[in-house]
Amino acid sequence: AQSVTQLGSHVSVSEGALVLLRCNYSSSVPPYLFWYVQYPNQGLQLLLKYTSAATLVKGINGFEAEFKKSETSFHLTKPSAHMSDAAEYFCAVIHNTDKLIFGTGTRLQVFP
Amino acid sequence: DAEITQSPRHKITETGRQVTLACHQTWNHNNMFWYRQDLGHGLRLIHYSYGVQDTNKGEVSDGYSVSRSNTEDLPLTLESAASSQTSVYFCASSVGLAGPSSSYEQYFGPGTRLTVT
Repeated sequence: AQSVTQLGSHVSVSEGALVLLRCNYSSSVPPYLFWYVQYPNQGLQLLLKYTSAATLVKGINGFEAEFKKSETSFHLTKPSAHMSDAAEYFCAVIHNTDKLIFGTGTRLQVFP
Repeated sequence: DAEITQSPRHKITETGRQVTLACHQTWNHNNMFWYRQDLGHGLRLIHYSYGVQDTNKGEVSDGYSVSRSNTEDLPLTLESAASSQTSVYFCASSVGLAGPSSSYEQYFGPGTRLTVT
């Protein structure tokens, strides 16, 4: 069965520093993987998605993620954090064609 | 612009009452989903629908029901509200298998915060 694990429920970085949010997946078939962002009191917004095309996926707001099959990972990165990046981030994998299985989320704090 | 809306945005109810949360999408999507979000659990799937008259149970469906009488709406009903159902509820939709493979993307509503006292 498909699943995702997000390492670290909280990550804190300084403004301008590298952002790295970790996601490892478990899947018996080639996965479709997603990163969503949730700003306070809002719904989830798609950041980027991997659908078996290029392994390096670029998303909105300067984020990108690299699919590494050998490591079963899909970590989210951004070279330089901005205060507006403070939010909760969810990794998700497709399950049984149309259902998403979400990780437990990582809350990103950005300090000035 | 197409969108997905939820109402009410906030609801306080008493234990034992029946509550219905509305979800309406104008994307003309086949698939609709209901999730609950709780601290430490991420989002968990309650019910989902692949089209009109189709409904399916998710991983946390006990105490909840849905019905799909048209493409746009998937109301979620709590038959007899319990304190354990205090949560934030999100509705989502996606194109479904009728669309291109990249249509697995789900679009989310703004959420309903439900408190059961």
